[in-house]
Formats: sequence, C-alpha cells, structure tokens
Amino acid sequence: AQTVTQSQPEMSVQEAETVTLSCTYDTSENNYYLFWYKQPPSRQMILVIRQEAYKQQNATENRFSVNFQKAAKSFSLKISDSQLGDTAMYFCAFMNKNTGFQKLVFGTGTRLLVSP
Amino acid sequence: DAGVIQSPRHEVTEMGQEVTLRCKPISGHNSLFWYRQTMMRGLELLIYFNNNVPIDDSGMPEDRFSAKMPNASFSTLKIQPSEPRDSAVYFCASSPEQLIIHEQFFGPGTRLTVL
Repeated sequence: AQTVTQSQPEMSVQEAETVTLSCTYDTSENNYYLFWYKQPPSRQMILVIRQEAYKQQNATENRFSVNFQKAAKSFSLKISDSQLGDTAMYFCAFMNKNTGFQKLVFGTGTRLLVSP
Repeated sequence: DAGVIQSPRHEVTEMGQEVTLRCKPISGHNSLFWYRQTMMRGLELLIYFNNNVPIDDSGMPEDRFSAKMPNASFSTLKIQPSEPRDSAVYFCASSPEQLIIHEQFFGPGTRLTVL
C-alpha cells in the first residue's frame, strides 16, 4: 500500500517570501501521479499542481513549483512571493497510474499561514 | 459550470438516525468519488464509481454506510444508523475520464455532526 507523509503540521511565512512544504511517499510502483491540493478556510479542495512520475522536469504553475526527487521519493512544494490568499491547508496526494483506478492517497496536511 | 454540488452543507443529527448526503457531479464527468475528512484520519476515499458502477468500495467503513449512483447526475451516501464517530466532513468529487488520469473536482463538502 502507498503512504504519503507530510512532516510539517504547520508552517508560517510572511507575505512576499518563499516557503517550501515537504512531502515524502512510499511506493513500489514506478508509474504514478503526485498532486498538491489546497484547502482554504472555505473547505473547498483545489488542485494546485500535479506531477507525472515519468517526467523528470519539475512541474510549475505560476508561483507554485515542485521539487520532484523520484529516487528519494520526495515531492516538495515551493510557493514563491507568498500571498495572504495562500493561507490554507496543503495536502500532498499520490495516485497509482498502473491500476487505472483514480484513487488518491492523501497525506495529513500542512497548515500554512501567510502573515502581512 | 456550477461545479460539484453537495447537499446539505451542514447536517446535525442524533445518534441512531439515518443520514443521507447528496451529490451532483459535474455534467459529463463519469467518475465519482466520496471522501471523508476527519482530524484523526485525514482524507480517506470511501467509494469510487465509474459510469455509475461502484469500482472500489474498500474504504467504506462498515455496513452502516451505503452509497448509490442511480444515474450519471446523482449519487447518495447513506449512514444508518448514524453514530457520533461518523462526525466528519464528507466530500464528493468527480472526474471526466477513468482511463486518462484527470483532476478530481471536489464539492464544498457536507459537515456532519452526530450527537
């Protein structure tokens, strides 16, 4: 079974600074997807970024980028130029592509607080 | 598009009562997921439908939980009888295609409190 570990329960950053959220995962599969989801106080789950395991290039979406280290099974999220609206819970998630089933396995989340 | 619609947004009930949560997926999406979020266990997949057929229900905690998808535009998650430990936020999500890994679009969730 796959597991996803987020070792930082809470992080704080000041507006305009950069912050990195950590995620590690455990799997014996070689064909999978990794995701970061954001859950603001509104409770809505929003996809931030995704990475396909076979792609060596790190995914980037505007101020959000990942550092994907496949051998180390590490998938960290970097948020540049942090904004107040980035305050939220961030969940790392794994999906095994081999099964064809879209089952997301989530980490326990990191609560990010962006302060003025 | 209105996104995934869930009702009710909040539900408070007493132990032993039946609870029904409802979900309308995004039109054209053929995969539907029910998740439960608690402080203790985080986000867990309960059940997953594809083309209205349950594909994986290994996450359903026990027989008190049941889910149906009678058509492509509607699904229910029922708990009978409800217990205080069922208190959680229940999310429904939908996705456009099983064979191609797509983003799962989440609804706003239903916060269930069982007294």
